[in-house]
Amino acid sequence: DQQVKQNSPSLSVQEGRISILNCDYTNSMFDYFLWYKKYPAEGPTFLISISSIKDKNEDGRFTVFLNKSAKHLSLHIVPSQPGDSAVYFCAARKAANNLFFGTGTRLTVIP
Amino acid sequence: GAVVSQHPSRVICKSGTSVKIECRSLDFQATTMFWYRQFPKQSLMLMATSNEGSKATYEQGVEKDKFLINHASLTLSTLTVTSAHPEDSSFYICSAKDGTGGLWGYTFGSGTRLTVV
Repeated sequence: DQQVKQNSPSLSVQEGRISILNCDYTNSMFDYFLWYKKYPAEGPTFLISISSIKDKNEDGRFTVFLNKSAKHLSLHIVPSQPGDSAVYFCAARKAANNLFFGTGTRLTVIP
Repeated sequence: GAVVSQHPSRVICKSGTSVKIECRSLDFQATTMFWYRQFPKQSLMLMATSNEGSKATYEQGVEKDKFLINHASLTLSTLTVTSAHPEDSSFYICSAKDGTGGLWGYTFGSGTRLTVV
């Protein structure tokens, strides 16, 4: 049962433009949502998070939006840079600190 | 920042043998460690949660006798794939949680690519 879904396996964006990565979830008990960035042969690294009681969190070029009624969140990267090219995982946390991950979206930023 | 070292990064083994994967927290004490596996084009699936000094908690569908987890110290957890079969070939990755309680407290290892031939 996939509780966190990323329906777009890949996304290509021109350098300088906005990248929007989407994530949907099914469990209303999640209390935090996180985005991780993963390069090949490396573990995921934490990027940004949002509490379930908020609808927006911004950190530099990265902004995460949460729409609880739609059980949907998105990560906006603007402006996109070639170094942003990686696989981005959406994750959601329930009690006991378990993280549930989506399948990832491979972002390619074209110079 | 916190660093988690996972070893080996890549291993090929024969069917029927056992493989041990180590996950070490290098500069912090990991109260909890998590083991995930990832099949191609699939998400990271949590296999088990281990707390130092106690038995691991396995997710539904994960065979505890096949995937042995030991978290004997606050800096080391091991996953042993026993009697490996080709269907166990996957990418295994550990995550360690420090005691800060912060969301950035989940630190991942670099993963282990297991191939069973």
